[in-house]
Amino acid sequence: DAGITQSPRHKVTETGTPVTLRCHQTENHRYMYWYRQDPGHGLRLIHYSYGVKDTDKGEVSDGYSVSRSKTEDFLLTLESATSSQTSVYFCAISEAGNTGELFFGEGSRLTVL
Amino acid sequence: GENVEQHPSTLSVQEGDSAVIKCTYSDSASNYFPWYKQELGKRPQLIIDIRSNVGEKKDQRIAVTLNKTAKHFSLHITETQPEDSAVYFCAARNQAGTALIFGKGTTLSVSS
Repeated sequence: DAGITQSPRHKVTETGTPVTLRCHQTENHRYMYWYRQDPGHGLRLIHYSYGVKDTDKGEVSDGYSVSRSKTEDFLLTLESATSSQTSVYFCAISEAGNTGELFFGEGSRLTVL
Repeated sequence: GENVEQHPSTLSVQEGDSAVIKCTYSDSASNYFPWYKQELGKRPQLIIDIRSNVGEKKDQRIAVTLNKTAKHFSLHITETQPEDSAVYFCAARNQAGTALIFGKGTTLSVSS
């Protein structure tokens, strides 16, 4: 498996609280992505990064922000969590962007009460 | 923006039968089409991909076909086995050409 870890793996929080999910890679891949997975919706792109400090919005970016200050770390922040953000979040990395294999982390299950 | 439609959403077959999953995409500039398999409770993993300069690609029991004119591509699994039971996702690039977006997935169940 590619060297990609997500933390925390499980989190339960309350509506209105801030939450940060971390994705850490040891592969030195340029591209990093955050997806959310929900029943009936598949994998939806939240934000992605194509280099340090270079990020852009995906399909469902409202309510989320990201930061990438180092090649190896990509943080996803929910400034004020809502119940609609209850989901499984997957980080992915790629060497070749949208023309190469994505390697996914194990996922972070977030429950917002 | 880019839209990737995937059908069917569920598919049940008997062991040994073939299974076909189809996807359509909207951006004619797309040139890379992967398929991912996600077993229950696991992360998605690439099983096969195809590029726009190729019409078909095979890897043992799985194959992918691409029709660029019609903007659709399909996953074919022959001689299905119970371990093929999983959720399968197709993907294509987004309109900005910077990321992959996924279909909603097909849950394949293979009964023995």
